[in-house]
Amino acid sequence: DVKVTQSSRYLVKRTGEKVFLECVQDMDHENMFWYRQDPGLGLRLIYFSYDVKMKEKGDIPEGYSVSREKKERFSLILESASTNQTSMYLCASSSPGLAGGPDEQYFGPGTRLTVT
Amino acid sequence: AQKVTQAQTEISVVEKEDVTLDCVYETRDTTYYLFWYKQPPSGELVFLIRRNSFDEQNEISGRYSWNFQKSTSSFNFTITASQVVDSAVYFCALGNYGGATNKLIFGTGTLLAVQP
Repeated sequence: DVKVTQSSRYLVKRTGEKVFLECVQDMDHENMFWYRQDPGLGLRLIYFSYDVKMKEKGDIPEGYSVSREKKERFSLILESASTNQTSMYLCASSSPGLAGGPDEQYFGPGTRLTVT
Repeated sequence: AQKVTQAQTEISVVEKEDVTLDCVYETRDTTYYLFWYKQPPSGELVFLIRRNSFDEQNEISGRYSWNFQKSTSSFNFTITASQVVDSAVYFCALGNYGGATNKLIFGTGTLLAVQP
């Protein structure tokens, strides 16, 4: 059974802390994604990676960075957490897709981060 | 620019009613892909369907059906004889053709509440 796991379901951090959110997939997928989900805004892409050590900014990368040292692991880093980064963070992975089209993304259970 | 609009923020129905969730998309691409995902209260998004722009046939899977109409740029989702277990947030998403990253653009979601 395919699986995407995230290191924590709930996390509480203080303003200014450095925060690491970890995501691991066991499907040998090339693509991995980090989204944040906020009420009324849907899912917004923060960063994605299409290969080890490769990354590209999504729609809202400010205040975040990522790391992908191994194919199965994609980390999201909040360099200095702020209260406006309180959100649900979702990780996803996908294969390159069939015939040039995007394949479905498999999602982890999410991490609800609260920054106080 | 690409965009997905789910105008229905929340829908409440009584069990066994039929319900349609609307999805309208914008893209200049001639080849694109559309998706629906379900997010139950547990938080993990579950893939429901992937459809490419060349296939306008409606699809039925059990109580679920999808109506794709390019003329109105819509990809609506109908649940027949709804059940309490259908209560979730449903997201429509758009993906373009080509490239290695397989990014998806998500709508803001529709919260469906099915009352017993």
